[in-house]
Amino acid sequence: DGGITQSPKYLFRKEGQNVTLSCEQNLNHDAMYWYRQDPGQGLRLIYYSQIVNDFQKGDIAEGYSVSREKKESFPLTVTSAQKNPTAFYLCASSISGQGVGDYGYTFGSGTRLTVV
Amino acid sequence: AQSVTQPDIHITVSEGASLELRCNYSYGATPYLFWYVQSPGQGLQLLLKYFSGDTLVQGIKGFEAEFKRSQSSFNLRKPSVHWSDAAEYFCAVLTLSNSGYALNFGKGTSLLVTP
Repeated sequence: DGGITQSPKYLFRKEGQNVTLSCEQNLNHDAMYWYRQDPGQGLRLIYYSQIVNDFQKGDIAEGYSVSREKKESFPLTVTSAQKNPTAFYLCASSISGQGVGDYGYTFGSGTRLTVV
Repeated sequence: AQSVTQPDIHITVSEGASLELRCNYSYGATPYLFWYVQSPGQGLQLLLKYFSGDTLVQGIKGFEAEFKRSQSSFNLRKPSVHWSDAAEYFCAVLTLSNSGYALNFGKGTSLLVTP
């Protein structure tokens, strides 16, 4: 079955460490997105990529980095520069950037990151 | 930038009662609007979307939404709520920046269903 896989489901990080969240899709979608979700804040856009080897900052990119070397993969690194990284992270994809209007997103099931 | 506002943080309804979740958008032209639902600890599932045509849109799980330009609203409705509808609901609008397209989400409305 086609879909988006986020791993791991739960992740614990010590302060000062970098950590990478995985997002893989087999939907042949061109566009991929990372959102952060905090209680009462809704979803806030971190980074997005419309095509391979290209990505753009969203509203809250500081302290995060991404890469898009393959169409199927869009990993997110939470760096030590992110001051408050504890949150629920959601990855999404769409058939294309323009296709978001017609088809919306398909979401992964999320990764809950906790800093200990 | 295009944005949506969900005025209600929490809504409680009795099972079998009708439901209306509010969403207001800010955008000059006709917006592309979406409603998503999220169960605890899960990703989001698309309920329905609107971008043109009939202003009353039917979605999955018995939900519908009506686009009202005069009120800048896109409210989600269901005639009879089931206990399994308890979840977080998000309204979203398509935004276009110099870099491309993305969805901008409201802060969500948490639905509690009582027996």
